[in-house]
Amino acid sequence: GESVGLHLPTLSVQEGDNSIINCAYSNSASDYFIWYKQESGKGPQFIIDIRSNMDKRQGQRVTVLLNKTVKHLSLQIAATQPGDSAVYFCAENIGKTGRRALTFGSGTRLQVQP
Amino acid sequence: EAGVVQSPRYKIIEKKQPVAFWCNPISGHNTLYWYRQNLGQGPELLIRYENEEAVDDSQLPKDRFSAERLKGVDSTLKIQPAELGDSAVYLCASSLVGSNTEAFFGQGTRLTVV
Repeated sequence: GESVGLHLPTLSVQEGDNSIINCAYSNSASDYFIWYKQESGKGPQFIIDIRSNMDKRQGQRVTVLLNKTVKHLSLQIAATQPGDSAVYFCAENIGKTGRRALTFGSGTRLQVQP
Repeated sequence: EAGVVQSPRYKIIEKKQPVAFWCNPISGHNTLYWYRQNLGQGPELLIRYENEEAVDDSQLPKDRFSAERLKGVDSTLKIQPAELGDSAVYLCASSLVGSNTEAFFGQGTRLTVV
């Protein structure tokens, strides 16, 4: 399949290791954040979300951490599998009430080595 | 339940020609988005609808791009005339009403302008 991004920051991990993908967001007023996974030739797929009144949220094998002080978001993937190889985007919900939409970061490519 | 459906999946046109993309959102989702994704970048919002109303079209290049969402369900995005720089993946997404809800994406239409 075609590549989603050719010049993205890349994180390479061994199968079974834990992965940490970081994201810096721009707007201190953002109150909702989502991590998306995008495989080649596909649209972004929802992984996990977090609201600004939380610092941490866990899903199945994934954890999102939010540090509002430094406007930083991270996605932790436990026991990374080859199927986790993809480009990961963080997105923040910003804008005035009634004009909000998700604004995406530039993405990180995760490569899982068998 | 079917996800967001987009067509066509791929489109190759010559510059200065018109092109249209179609999107059918998830049933019951009042909010619909069109995003453009250039290679190696995250999706960028073009327009957002709440039902039939375009509530945010500030990023839509109105000289050549137009969109409509008749009856508040399906939507079409049109480019006329297309330019070489319009080559990208055009993504449609939908979500429930509300400012902090996840958006579900279609697979996108890859447009190549030659």
